[in-house]
Amino acid sequence: DTAVSQTPKYLVTQMGNDKSIKCEQNLGHDTMYWYKQDSKKFLKIMFSYNNKELIINETVPNRFSPKSPDKAHLNLHINSLELGDSAVYFCASSLSGQKNNEQFFGPGTRLTVL
Amino acid sequence: GNSVTQMEGPVTLSEEAFLTINCTYTATGYPSLFWYVQYPGEGLQLLLKATKADDKGSNKGFEATYRKETTSFHLEKGSVQVSDSAVYFCAQETSGSRLTFGEGTQLTVNP
Repeated sequence: DTAVSQTPKYLVTQMGNDKSIKCEQNLGHDTMYWYKQDSKKFLKIMFSYNNKELIINETVPNRFSPKSPDKAHLNLHINSLELGDSAVYFCASSLSGQKNNEQFFGPGTRLTVL
Repeated sequence: GNSVTQMEGPVTLSEEAFLTINCTYTATGYPSLFWYVQYPGEGLQLLLKATKADDKGSNKGFEATYRKETTSFHLEKGSVQVSDSAVYFCAQETSGSRLTFGEGTQLTVNP
């Protein structure tokens, strides 16, 4: 199936740990994103990569480090996890150069920090 | 700066009721506008879009018209179903392939 996939779907971990979330898309897109959705459903962009280059970097703690090994993958590594990092993280992708920038979203990763 | 404001939820309706979810935006220029829907436990899916003033986006019985004069993109459906229960997000495309989302509106449709 063509899609944006994320692993894991659920992640429960202790404060202070380091964890990674992986994202892959097979849609042939060249731009990928990470969003954070809080408990009130508010959705905020964190990062965006175009052809493996960082193009959007919102005000995110430097404990969060995205890595794009190729344009089909954008992984998110989080160091020293804090309680406030608990949220649902969504990966998305799109094709640049189009005016109507339709983004395709993954199913989300629910991160719970204890 | 660019922003999107949606009507506050949650919204609860009976089946076959008329739905309106208000959305207004602030932007420089004329951004493309979108409605995304998030069903329980899933990621967001594009519901409809409009790329220029007076365009009407439509899908699955939902409609929204790009109104430049009122900077609005209200979502409407004439007769909602239980399966429409979800969170609805209005969004605009800003610079650098960026989507700015509204706060989301939770819709619950009761049988």
